[in-house]
Amino acid sequence: NAGVTQTPKFRILKIGQSMTLQCAQDMNHNYMYWYRQDPGMGLKLIYYSVGAGITDKGEVPNGYNVSRSTTEDFPLRLELAAPSQTSVYFCASTLTGDRYEQYFGPGTRLTVT
Amino acid sequence: AQRVTQPEKLLSVFKGAPVELKCNYSYSGSPELFWYVQYSRQRLQLLLRHISRESIKGFTADLNKGETSFHLKKPFAQEEDSAMYYCALGTGGGNKLTFGTGTQLKVEL
Repeated sequence: NAGVTQTPKFRILKIGQSMTLQCAQDMNHNYMYWYRQDPGMGLKLIYYSVGAGITDKGEVPNGYNVSRSTTEDFPLRLELAAPSQTSVYFCASTLTGDRYEQYFGPGTRLTVT
Repeated sequence: AQRVTQPEKLLSVFKGAPVELKCNYSYSGSPELFWYVQYSRQRLQLLLRHISRESIKGFTADLNKGETSFHLKKPFAQEEDSAMYYCALGTGGGNKLTFGTGTQLKVEL
């Protein structure tokens, strides 16, 4: 099992560009999450999904969009990138019955200049 | 709104010394607290959860509802304990977690 995978590892965007951060898991987890972590701060939840076709906003959803067409994949879309979106992005997943043990990906470091 | 506070950004101790990483929370519901850890070049992973009252790698944490705290303790620090530790609060639907800002533990020889 690869667990939770994220691509790319690093990316530099110009202001106003768009991109999609990819996240996939091979553990048949139904819950998936996107977090961002700014320097010196904790992880903040952007969006989450409790199953294919179901997504909901977290604490900091503005400037992002998600979709969940399959159990395995949970891409995060940034439209019109802004410097405030410079951060490290983590994807995570878990099973319904496994309360709160989330399995994390390695992260994507994004810089917007 | 829920909140998790970790007052120390960095905690430096000598090998063999006791360790206590502080965590306080604010939550109107029934709290479920966790400690996650990120070792160098590894992914963030669950260390322990209050509900199982277990000791993992010599670490324990007791939920104190009166003081709204969930401090992580270990009697004798080891070099391999050096890592970033995050306290997290489970906040209901969707198994969502609210994380603290983390404490970097450095164990010196």
